[in-house]
Amino acid sequence: NAGVTQTPKFQVLKTGQSMTLQCAQDMNHNSMYWYRQDPGMGLRLIYYSASEGTTDKGEVPNGYNVSRLNKREFSLRLESAAPSQTSVYFCASVWDRASGYTFGSGTRLTVV
Amino acid sequence: KQEVTQIPAALSVPEGENLVLNCSFTDSAIYNLQWFRQDPGKGLTSLLLIQSSQREQTSGRLNASLDKSSGRSTLYIAASQPGDSATYLCAPSSGTYKYIFGTGTRLKVLA
Repeated sequence: NAGVTQTPKFQVLKTGQSMTLQCAQDMNHNSMYWYRQDPGMGLRLIYYSASEGTTDKGEVPNGYNVSRLNKREFSLRLESAAPSQTSVYFCASVWDRASGYTFGSGTRLTVV
Repeated sequence: KQEVTQIPAALSVPEGENLVLNCSFTDSAIYNLQWFRQDPGKGLTSLLLIQSSQREQTSGRLNASLDKSSGRSTLYIAASQPGDSATYLCAPSSGTYKYIFGTGTRLKVLA
């Protein structure tokens, strides 16, 4: 099925460990995004990639890095996980300015 | 900086009622606005996308209106059902295709 695929769905990390969250879309969308969702805070933009080869910071980029590997894939890396990064992470993609977002199903990350 | 407010934060109604969920945003220079539904522990499902040049969009029992100049959008749900229970999120887009989200309205429809 066409859409946005996120892996893994669940992950538990120890403080200081690193990991990469993967996101892939098969809709030939140009722009891709990473959000985190915390209770009472709504979704906040971490990083985005307006087009292949470009990445930009969003509202809460500290502690994260991203790679737009190709047009399909956009990964989010936590170099040294902290408990404050416990959250649900969503990836989204969009074709152009007139289109709406398509979201992945999310990655639930717990840092202990 | 775009800020999005959704009122009410929570709503509990008996089945069959018609509902209005409100969304306000501070920066009227938007390209479009999207309404999403989120079930507990799940991802976001797009309900309606309304372009800045449009006044409203309809899908089944859902109708979204947009008043861009005043920074407001409403989502109207007709004849609510228990299956409509979810959190509803509003997100206007501005800048580099970025959507900014409100914290949502948590809806519970009682049978």
